[in-house]
Formats: sequence, structure tokens, C-alpha cells
Amino acid sequence: DAGVTQSPTHLIKTRGQQVTLRCSPKSGHDTVSWYQQALGQGPQFIFQYYEEEERQRGNFPDRFSGHQFPNYSSELNVNALLLGDSALYLCASSPTGGVEKLFFGSGTQLSVL
Amino acid sequence: AQSVTQPDIHITVSEGASLELRCNYSYGATPYLFWYVQSPGQGLQLLLKYFSGDTLVQGIKGFEAEFKRSQSSFNLRKPSVHWSDAAEYFCAVGAPGTYKYIFGTGTRLKVLA
Repeated sequence: DAGVTQSPTHLIKTRGQQVTLRCSPKSGHDTVSWYQQALGQGPQFIFQYYEEEERQRGNFPDRFSGHQFPNYSSELNVNALLLGDSALYLCASSPTGGVEKLFFGSGTQLSVL
Repeated sequence: AQSVTQPDIHITVSEGASLELRCNYSYGATPYLFWYVQSPGQGLQLLLKYFSGDTLVQGIKGFEAEFKRSQSSFNLRKPSVHWSDAAEYFCAVGAPGTYKYIFGTGTRLKVLA
């Protein structure tokens, strides 16, 4: 049983560019959450998707957007990249109503130059 | 507002010594509480979790944690540390009825041979 898979594992972009990160949830999970982990910090909640809708959002600007597909996979899009967007982006999946059953992927390391 | 504090940024212990990592949280009621471990460049692995009931919870890799309501604490312990335990440890709070976790800033554990 594959866990949460994220792609790509590493990415280098320049300021002002746009980036798309992808996540496939664990089998049987229908809810996907995204977290940003800056160097030396704990992960911070970006948003959560359920039934193809954004259900809850953290304190992130509108440059951060997402999407969930009918197969429950998800994308995180970041527009107009800033140097401060450099971080490890973690995807986590959970079953319906199971905030206590979060499984994390290994993340995508984004570097903005 | 909910918050999590991990007062120790770095901890160094000798292999075979006991370990205690501190975590304090701020929340109006009893939240869900978690400890995760992260190796360099990796995602988060769940060590243990507390929802209710017995305040001493057992986790994987020989870790345990004790919930103390009066102190708003959820400290992680291990009686004998192994060199492979060197990693970063995160405490997290998940509020029932919400869909996100709030993480502490982490404690980096170094194990001396």
C-alpha cells in the first residue's frame, strides 16, 4: 500500500515564477492538507481540500492556491514566487473526518533563487 | 489562540541515556496531541498520539509521552536512547472540529556515541 506520494522531490525556481506541486493521497484517504516548513521551523498549515473544495485555510496569501481532483489527488500552486517561499512543502492525507489520522508525504523541497 | 511551545531547540544526550523532550500547549480544552519525528530531508513520521483516556501513551521505537492537563504539557520520553534516534522532533496540537495541526518549532536531538 503506497503512502502519500509527492512530486517532484526537489525544485529550483527564480523569483516571480510560478510553481505547481503534486500530491497523491494514501489509499482510502479523501482529504488532503498542505503544509509549509521553512528551514528550522515547524510545519505551518496552508490549506485543506475535501470533496474538491478548500475546506480550511491558514494564514497564507492568495498567491498560494490549490486544487483537488476527483481521484483525491491534489496540487499546490504558488504564483509570483518570493525568496521567502523557499521551504519544504509537505502534503498530508487523511480519511473523512479523520484529522487525527494524518499521514505525511516526504515533501517537495522548493528553492527560490 | 492555539499554540505549541517546545522550549529546547537542541538537546544532546549520550547513547543509552534517558531522554525527555518538553512540549507545552495552549488551548481552551483538551486537544489532540501528537509527537512526530523527522530525519533530514524527510517527511514526518508519527511517534504517538493522545486523544483521551489514559494519560500515558506508548508509541513506536520505545517512545512514550505523558499528558498532564494541569501543566498543559505533553512531554516525550525514552528510557534509553539509540544513535538512530538522532533527528528533529515535533510536538503538534490538533483541535477537535478543525482540520489542521499546529506544530511547535521542533527540538533537534543529537546522540553522542
